[in-house]
Amino acid sequence: GESVGLHLPTLSVQEGDNSIINCAYSNSASDYFIWYKQESGKGPQFIIDIRSNMDKRQGQRVTVLLNKTVKHLSLQIAATQPGDSAVYFCAERYSSASKIIFGSGTRLSIRP
Amino acid sequence: GAGVSQSPSNKVTEKGKDVELRCDPISGHTALYWYRQRLGQGLEFLIYFQGNSAPDKSGLPSDRFSAERTGESVSTLTIQRTQQEDSAVYLCASSLRTGNRNQPQHFGDGTRLSIL
Repeated sequence: GESVGLHLPTLSVQEGDNSIINCAYSNSASDYFIWYKQESGKGPQFIIDIRSNMDKRQGQRVTVLLNKTVKHLSLQIAATQPGDSAVYFCAERYSSASKIIFGSGTRLSIRP
Repeated sequence: GAGVSQSPSNKVTEKGKDVELRCDPISGHTALYWYRQRLGQGLEFLIYFQGNSAPDKSGLPSDRFSAERTGESVSTLTIQRTQQEDSAVYLCASSLRTGNRNQPQHFGDGTRLSIL
Protein backbone atom coordinates (compact mmCIF):
# COMPACT_ATOMS: atom_id res chain seq x y z
CA GLY A 1 0.00 0.00 0.00
CA GLU A 2 1.02 3.61 0.27
CA SER A 3 3.87 4.47 2.59
CA VAL A 4 2.68 7.24 4.84
CA GLY A 5 4.26 8.24 8.10
CA LEU A 6 6.58 5.23 8.25
CA HIS A 7 10.22 5.41 9.26
CA LEU A 8 12.25 3.23 6.97
CA PRO A 9 13.69 -0.07 8.20
CA THR A 10 17.39 -0.63 7.57
CA LEU A 11 19.13 -3.69 6.18
CA SER A 12 22.87 -3.88 6.89
CA VAL A 13 24.92 -6.13 4.63
CA GLN A 14 28.62 -6.95 4.36
CA GLU A 15 30.22 -5.78 1.14
CA GLY A 16 30.38 -8.69 -1.28
CA ASP A 17 27.47 -10.57 0.28
CA ASN A 18 24.08 -10.91 -1.36
CA SER A 19 21.24 -8.62 -0.23
CA ILE A 20 17.59 -9.55 -0.08
CA ILE A 21 15.05 -6.78 0.30
CA ASN A 22 11.44 -7.74 0.90
CA CYS A 23 8.14 -6.03 0.20
CA ALA A 24 4.54 -6.95 0.96
CA TYR A 25 2.13 -5.46 -1.54
CA SER A 26 -1.47 -4.62 -0.89
CA ASN A 27 -3.69 -5.54 -3.82
CA SER A 28 -4.11 -9.10 -5.04
CA ALA A 29 -5.35 -7.72 -8.38
CA SER A 30 -2.12 -5.79 -9.07
CA ASP A 31 -0.68 -6.80 -12.41
CA TYR A 32 2.72 -5.15 -12.53
CA PHE A 33 5.48 -4.49 -9.99
CA ILE A 34 8.58 -2.33 -9.99
CA TRP A 35 11.64 -1.86 -7.81
CA TYR A 36 13.20 1.59 -7.48
CA LYS A 37 16.48 2.74 -5.95
CA GLN A 38 16.71 6.17 -4.32
CA GLU A 39 20.08 7.67 -3.53
CA SER A 40 20.46 10.58 -1.15
CA GLY A 41 19.20 13.84 -2.61
CA LYS A 42 17.89 12.19 -5.78
CA GLY A 43 14.59 10.97 -7.10
CA PRO A 44 13.94 7.21 -7.29
CA GLN A 45 15.41 5.36 -10.26
CA PHE A 46 13.95 2.31 -11.97
CA ILE A 47 15.87 -0.93 -11.32
CA ILE A 48 13.76 -3.83 -12.54
CA ASP A 49 10.13 -4.76 -13.10
CA ILE A 50 8.04 -7.90 -13.26
CA ARG A 51 4.55 -8.70 -14.53
CA SER A 52 2.09 -10.73 -12.55
CA ASN A 53 2.28 -13.65 -14.98
CA MET A 54 5.92 -14.23 -14.01
CA ASP A 55 7.47 -15.32 -10.72
CA LYS A 56 11.10 -14.42 -11.39
CA ARG A 57 13.03 -11.97 -13.50
CA GLN A 58 16.76 -11.35 -13.63
CA GLY A 59 18.77 -8.28 -14.51
CA GLN A 60 22.38 -7.35 -14.07
CA ARG A 61 23.23 -8.42 -10.49
CA VAL A 62 19.57 -8.11 -9.50
CA THR A 63 16.74 -10.60 -9.37
CA VAL A 64 13.11 -9.95 -8.53
CA LEU A 65 10.92 -12.71 -7.16
CA LEU A 66 7.13 -12.51 -7.02
CA ASN A 67 4.95 -14.71 -4.81
CA LYS A 68 1.33 -13.88 -5.60
CA THR A 69 -0.03 -16.39 -3.11
CA VAL A 70 1.24 -14.36 -0.18
CA LYS A 71 1.48 -11.01 -2.01
CA HIS A 72 5.22 -10.79 -1.52
CA LEU A 73 7.93 -9.29 -3.68
CA SER A 74 11.68 -9.48 -3.12
CA LEU A 75 14.74 -7.90 -4.66
CA GLN A 76 18.00 -9.80 -4.55
CA ILE A 77 21.26 -7.97 -5.18
CA ALA A 78 24.27 -10.17 -5.84
CA ALA A 79 27.75 -9.26 -4.54
CA THR A 80 26.62 -6.05 -2.88
CA GLN A 81 28.83 -3.04 -3.54
CA PRO A 82 29.17 0.31 -1.73
CA GLY A 83 27.32 1.96 -4.62
CA ASP A 84 24.27 -0.11 -3.77
CA SER A 85 23.75 1.92 -0.60
CA ALA A 86 20.37 3.58 -1.03
CA VAL A 87 16.71 3.32 -0.14
CA TYR A 88 14.84 0.70 -2.15
CA PHE A 89 11.11 0.95 -2.87
CA CYS A 90 8.71 -1.53 -4.39
CA ALA A 91 5.73 -0.27 -6.35
CA GLU A 92 2.59 -1.89 -7.73
CA ARG A 93 0.12 -1.08 -10.45
CA TYR A 94 -3.41 -1.97 -9.46
CA SER A 95 -4.59 -2.61 -13.00
CA SER A 96 -3.32 -2.02 -16.49
CA ALA A 97 -4.91 1.42 -16.67
CA SER A 98 -4.19 2.65 -13.20
CA LYS A 99 -1.61 4.69 -11.38
CA ILE A 100 1.47 3.17 -9.78
CA ILE A 101 1.57 3.21 -5.98
CA PHE A 102 4.68 2.88 -3.84
CA GLY A 103 5.10 0.54 -0.94
CA SER A 104 7.24 1.18 2.11
CA GLY A 105 10.97 1.45 1.51
CA THR A 106 14.06 -0.22 2.97
CA ARG A 107 17.37 1.48 3.55
CA LEU A 108 20.32 -0.71 2.47
CA SER A 109 23.55 -0.04 4.34
CA ILE A 110 26.83 -1.65 3.26
CA ARG A 111 29.49 -2.62 5.82
CA PRO A 112 33.07 -2.54 4.51
CA GLY B 1 16.53 14.32 -24.23
CA ALA B 2 16.43 15.73 -20.69
CA GLY B 3 14.77 13.92 -17.84
CA VAL B 4 12.06 15.22 -15.56
CA SER B 5 12.94 18.71 -14.40
CA GLN B 6 11.66 20.27 -11.20
CA SER B 7 12.00 23.83 -9.99
CA PRO B 8 12.98 25.32 -7.71
CA SER B 9 15.31 22.68 -6.27
CA ASN B 10 15.01 24.30 -2.86
CA LYS B 11 12.38 26.62 -1.43
CA VAL B 12 12.34 28.24 1.99
CA THR B 13 9.28 30.22 2.95
CA GLU B 14 7.45 31.52 5.95
CA LYS B 15 4.45 29.80 7.44
CA GLY B 16 1.24 31.09 5.90
CA LYS B 17 2.70 31.94 2.50
CA ASP B 18 1.63 30.24 -0.72
CA VAL B 19 4.15 28.28 -2.77
CA GLU B 20 4.12 26.98 -6.32
CA LEU B 21 6.27 24.08 -7.44
CA ARG B 22 6.89 23.28 -11.08
CA CYS B 23 7.45 20.04 -12.95
CA ASP B 24 8.53 19.66 -16.57
CA PRO B 25 7.92 16.04 -17.58
CA ILE B 26 9.72 14.12 -20.29
CA SER B 27 8.30 15.04 -23.68
CA GLY B 28 5.63 12.60 -24.81
CA HIS B 29 4.92 11.23 -21.35
CA THR B 30 1.18 11.34 -20.82
CA ALA B 31 1.14 10.32 -17.16
CA LEU B 32 2.37 12.66 -14.44
CA TYR B 33 2.50 12.08 -10.69
CA TRP B 34 3.24 14.19 -7.64
CA TYR B 35 4.52 12.60 -4.42
CA ARG B 36 5.53 13.98 -1.04
CA GLN B 37 8.46 12.53 0.86
CA ARG B 38 9.11 13.57 4.44
CA LEU B 39 12.61 13.17 5.83
CA GLY B 40 13.54 9.52 6.23
CA GLN B 41 10.16 8.30 5.07
CA GLY B 42 8.54 6.74 2.02
CA LEU B 43 6.70 8.30 -0.91
CA GLU B 44 3.21 9.60 -0.26
CA PHE B 45 1.06 9.76 -3.41
CA LEU B 46 -0.59 13.15 -3.95
CA ILE B 47 -2.09 13.40 -7.43
CA TYR B 48 -1.99 11.66 -10.83
CA PHE B 49 -2.68 13.12 -14.28
CA GLN B 50 -3.28 10.88 -17.29
CA GLY B 51 -3.68 12.62 -20.61
CA ASN B 52 -6.89 14.59 -20.79
CA SER B 53 -8.70 12.51 -18.18
CA ALA B 54 -9.83 14.02 -14.90
CA PRO B 55 -6.90 13.87 -12.45
CA ASP B 56 -6.87 11.44 -9.54
CA LYS B 57 -6.68 13.78 -6.57
CA SER B 58 -7.26 11.12 -3.94
CA GLY B 59 -3.89 11.67 -2.26
CA LEU B 60 -4.09 15.42 -1.68
CA PRO B 61 -3.95 15.86 2.12
CA SER B 62 -6.10 18.99 2.37
CA ASP B 63 -7.82 21.65 0.31
CA ARG B 64 -4.71 23.80 0.68
CA PHE B 65 -3.10 21.56 -1.93
CA SER B 66 -3.95 21.76 -5.62
CA ALA B 67 -2.27 20.89 -8.89
CA GLU B 68 -2.76 21.70 -12.52
CA ARG B 69 -1.39 20.35 -15.73
CA THR B 70 -1.56 22.01 -19.11
CA GLY B 71 -2.24 19.33 -21.71
CA GLU B 72 0.59 16.82 -21.56
CA SER B 73 3.25 19.27 -20.49
CA VAL B 74 4.12 21.32 -17.43
CA SER B 75 2.45 20.76 -14.08
CA THR B 76 2.36 23.02 -11.05
CA LEU B 77 1.65 21.98 -7.47
CA THR B 78 0.36 24.80 -5.30
CA ILE B 79 0.27 24.81 -1.53
CA GLN B 80 -1.70 27.64 0.03
CA ARG B 81 -1.21 28.98 3.54
CA THR B 82 1.75 26.72 4.15
CA GLN B 83 2.18 24.99 7.49
CA GLN B 84 5.34 23.59 9.06
CA GLU B 85 4.07 20.06 8.48
CA ASP B 86 4.24 20.77 4.73
CA SER B 87 8.05 20.71 4.94
CA ALA B 88 9.18 17.82 2.74
CA VAL B 89 10.64 16.95 -0.62
CA TYR B 90 8.02 17.09 -3.37
CA LEU B 91 8.79 14.67 -6.18
CA CYS B 92 7.35 14.66 -9.67
CA ALA B 93 7.41 11.70 -12.03
CA SER B 94 6.23 11.09 -15.56
CA SER B 95 5.71 7.97 -17.60
CA LEU B 96 4.74 6.70 -21.01
CA ARG B 97 1.50 4.97 -21.62
CA THR B 98 1.79 2.01 -24.00
CA GLY B 99 -1.55 0.77 -25.22
CA ASN B 100 -3.59 0.96 -22.05
CA ARG B 101 -0.70 0.42 -19.64
CA ASN B 102 1.30 2.88 -17.59
CA GLN B 103 5.02 2.20 -17.82
CA PRO B 104 7.59 2.78 -15.03
CA GLN B 105 7.96 6.35 -13.87
CA HIS B 106 10.93 8.62 -14.41
CA PHE B 107 11.49 10.92 -11.45
CA GLY B 108 12.87 14.38 -11.05
CA ASP B 109 15.17 15.16 -8.15
CA GLY B 110 12.43 16.98 -6.27
CA THR B 111 11.86 20.33 -4.64
CA ARG B 112 12.96 20.52 -1.02
CA LEU B 113 10.40 22.72 0.73
CA SER B 114 11.16 24.17 4.15
CA ILE B 115 8.54 26.12 6.08
CA LEU B 116 9.90 28.39 8.79
